[in-house]
Amino acid sequence: EADIYQTPRYLVIGTGKKITLECSQTMGHDKMYWYQQDPGMELHLIHYSYGVNSTEKGDLSSESTVSRIRTEHFPLTLESARPSHTSQYLCASSGAGNTIYFGEGSWLTVV
Amino acid sequence: KQEVTQIPAALSVPEGENLVLNCSFTDSAIYNLQWFRQDPGKGLTSLLLIQSSQREQTSGRLNASLDKSSGRSTLYIAASQPGDSATYLCAVYPPLKFYFGSGTKLNVKP
Repeated sequence: EADIYQTPRYLVIGTGKKITLECSQTMGHDKMYWYQQDPGMELHLIHYSYGVNSTEKGDLSSESTVSRIRTEHFPLTLESARPSHTSQYLCASSGAGNTIYFGEGSWLTVV
Repeated sequence: KQEVTQIPAALSVPEGENLVLNCSFTDSAIYNLQWFRQDPGKGLTSLLLIQSSQREQTSGRLNASLDKSSGRSTLYIAASQPGDSATYLCAVYPPLKFYFGSGTKLNVKP
């Protein structure tokens, strides 16, 4: 069982609010990822990190930002949420074995 | 750029049937291929990992094969059960990034 945790699982917020989605893993993995997935649709990589102080934008343009100050922690922040940000956000990590593990996901609804 | 395709997009079968899900990728230079299961509203659960040097992996009623040269992988599910109903995704690792297919939505009818 993978040890990767996301909070909150479900969140409803108003337009213009700032939100941070938390992601932590206890496996010591150097690589971490954020994916965005609308219901029934494919996964889109929005951010990734290969280690502390390393962050890159993914294939899908996103207005969110990430930070990687500690190995185990990879939070995603939306400075001003909009209804178009309503989606499921999935955090993942991988280590030397190159197996990717996912958290349970965070469902964000912006009203 | 690596592209991953899964066929069919959806599949509905009666309980007890054996079935095959397909995954194809355009660049054969991969480190490994993983199959996942995703239940509605949940994250992805890893089912099987095949390293590039391997031809297949088995776990219970699941068997995954890999043909790197042709850019194909199949997931075989034996004696399907209603609890197998979910979306199944494959992902390749070239490396540096994982590339995912769009998934096959499986419905196993009792």
